[in-house]
Amino acid sequence: AQTVTQSQPEMSVQEAETVTLSCTYDTSESDYYLFWYKQPPSRQMILVIRQEAYKQQNATENRFSVNFQKAAKSFSLKISDSQLGDAAMYFCACSLVFGKGTKLTVNP
Amino acid sequence: NAGVMQNPRHLVRRRGQEARLRCSPMKGHSHVYWYRQLPEEGLKFMVYLQKENIIDESGMPKERFSAEFPKEGPSILRIQQVVRGDSAAYFCASSPGGTRGTEAFFGQGTRLTVV
Repeated sequence: AQTVTQSQPEMSVQEAETVTLSCTYDTSESDYYLFWYKQPPSRQMILVIRQEAYKQQNATENRFSVNFQKAAKSFSLKISDSQLGDAAMYFCACSLVFGKGTKLTVNP
Repeated sequence: NAGVMQNPRHLVRRRGQEARLRCSPMKGHSHVYWYRQLPEEGLKFMVYLQKENIIDESGMPKERFSAEFPKEGPSILRIQQVVRGDSAAYFCASSPGGTRGTEAFFGQGTRLTVV
């Protein structure tokens, strides 16, 4: 069975600063994908970034990047130049299994 | 290209009634996933379906819950004899391919309230 753990229920960051959200996972599969989703107050789930486990290079999407440590089964999300619109719940997922989320607050 | 459509957006049921939640996947998507989100919690996987087949129902409660994805029409998540503990947001997602790498596109959810 797969498990995903997000150890930070809440995080805050100042506007324009950088923040890192943690995620660890466990899976018995050799080929899998990892995702970060954002859920703003509207509750719409939005894909932020995706990482293929067989690729060593960390995925990057504009201000969002990941630090993927396969041996440690760690998949953290870094948000650079944080904006007020980044405030949301962030969920890490391994294939179909989601973590419990991290609530990110961005302070002006 | 319409996204994943869920209806109704809000559903109120009395204890003991049946709840039917509908999900129309994106055009061209043949894989559907249902999740439940309790207040202040993450998404809990319930079931994964392809057309006319249940692929993985490991997250479905053994009783009162069922899901289908017929050849024609939307996917339906059915909850019989609802109880207060069923109150939650239910999300549907769809993808064109299998589970591992394909991005799943989410609907806006159905908020079920049992009174």
